[in-house]
Amino acid sequence: GAVVSQHPSRVICKSGTSVKIECRSLDFQATTMFWYRQFPKQSLMLMATSNEGSKATYEQGVEKDKFLINHASLTLSTLTVTSAHPEDSSFYICSARDLLAGDYEQYFGPGTRLTVT
Amino acid sequence: AQSVTQLDSQVPVFEEAPVELRCNYSSSVSVYLFWYVQYPNQGLQLLLKYLSGSTLVESINGFEAEFNKSQTSFHLRKPSVHISDTAEYFCAVSYGSGYKLSFGAGTTVTVRA
Repeated sequence: GAVVSQHPSRVICKSGTSVKIECRSLDFQATTMFWYRQFPKQSLMLMATSNEGSKATYEQGVEKDKFLINHASLTLSTLTVTSAHPEDSSFYICSARDLLAGDYEQYFGPGTRLTVT
Repeated sequence: AQSVTQLDSQVPVFEEAPVELRCNYSSSVSVYLFWYVQYPNQGLQLLLKYLSGSTLVESINGFEAEFNKSQTSFHLRKPSVHISDTAEYFCAVSYGSGYKLSFGAGTTVTVRA
């Protein structure tokens, strides 16, 4: 099956710094990638949708200048949390979809635990 | 607004007993339905999906779910659970020709010996 990786799996950073999280599709071309955040004991909240070669589409209430998304290739999308604050601490999960395969399934990465101190 | 409701937040169950996790969605258009499982500190793994065809879908590890259009439900069942089935289960729906997934709040299944 399709595999999606994320790096790093865990990161701790100081308040005010920026953190970049990578999401890679390992064995397929991901024309579309999604970024979610998940608070403890809660469901996944879609943050944004990124399509290769174009700007990301952010969900209502998500600050696009704070959460920078780049989908520069068909196998890599990055999420940069800029000027991170403790309230940004969360579990960030990406998923990828191969639209060319005509499949509605999203393949999920293992997640990145961000802790801002 | 489109929504996905998982009626049970916590489901404790004894090993080898059956379990049912309920999921209802709101929509008047075509839907694609998914159940995902999440183990602690991990991403989501697809359990099963309904795209079209037979309304009863099965997974390789004994789970099944039935799409009921009239009741807008997609309940997940397993006739006999194992300790290893302890996890968080999420119902998700993709509406119409769109591709975004809307997730339910999740159901925590705890299997006890």
